[in-house]
Amino acid sequence: KAGVTQTPRYLIKTRGQQVTLSCSPISGHRSVSWYQQTPGQGLQFLFEYFSETQRNKGNFPGRFSGRQFSNSRSEMNVSTLELGDSALYLCASSLDSSLLYEQYFGPGTRLTVT
Amino acid sequence: AQSVTQLDSQVPVFEEAPVELRCNYSSSVSVYLFWYVQYPNQGLQLLLKYLSGSTLVESINGFEAEFNKSQTSFHLRKPSVHISDTAEYFCAVSDRAGSGYSTLTFGKGTMLLVSP
Repeated sequence: KAGVTQTPRYLIKTRGQQVTLSCSPISGHRSVSWYQQTPGQGLQFLFEYFSETQRNKGNFPGRFSGRQFSNSRSEMNVSTLELGDSALYLCASSLDSSLLYEQYFGPGTRLTVT
Repeated sequence: AQSVTQLDSQVPVFEEAPVELRCNYSSSVSVYLFWYVQYPNQGLQLLLKYLSGSTLVESINGFEAEFNKSQTSFHLRKPSVHISDTAEYFCAVSDRAGSGYSTLTFGKGTMLLVSP
């Protein structure tokens, strides 16, 4: 079974631009979570989707948004990029929207904002 | 609100020596506890988890962690480390009384550096 895939792996953008990151979960997994990882703040939860519905959201500004499609693939969008948005963005999928099910992480998308 | 403290940002150790990575959490309710490992340029992999039952949980590669409710700790141990264990280790907690959704609060991570 293929693991969680994220595209692109690396991205360089300038301040003010917007960016869309993509995540394809493991086949059969219906829950997708997004996390931001930075050296200063560590790993922070962004949001989680299950069956195309946002189930939970972390403490991030409205510039961060996401969606999930009927095939469980998910995208996250960051508008009006700021230097502080530079981070590794990790996607994780699980069978169901419950911590009883293991989350499988993708390799991440490294976003650099200049 | 729950929080996780990993007291050591870096732990250097020699190969075949024992190691303990410390994790303390705070929460007003019962919790689920996890340890994840991140190798360079990779995502996180679940190492082990405590949901209920025995307070000592083990992984397939020799790591173990013990849930101590009175000390609010979930320290990770391995009796003999290998070079290949070099990685960053993250402790995570989730509020059991919450929605049950897949929301994790992570510690800042501990870099385990194993040298020959």
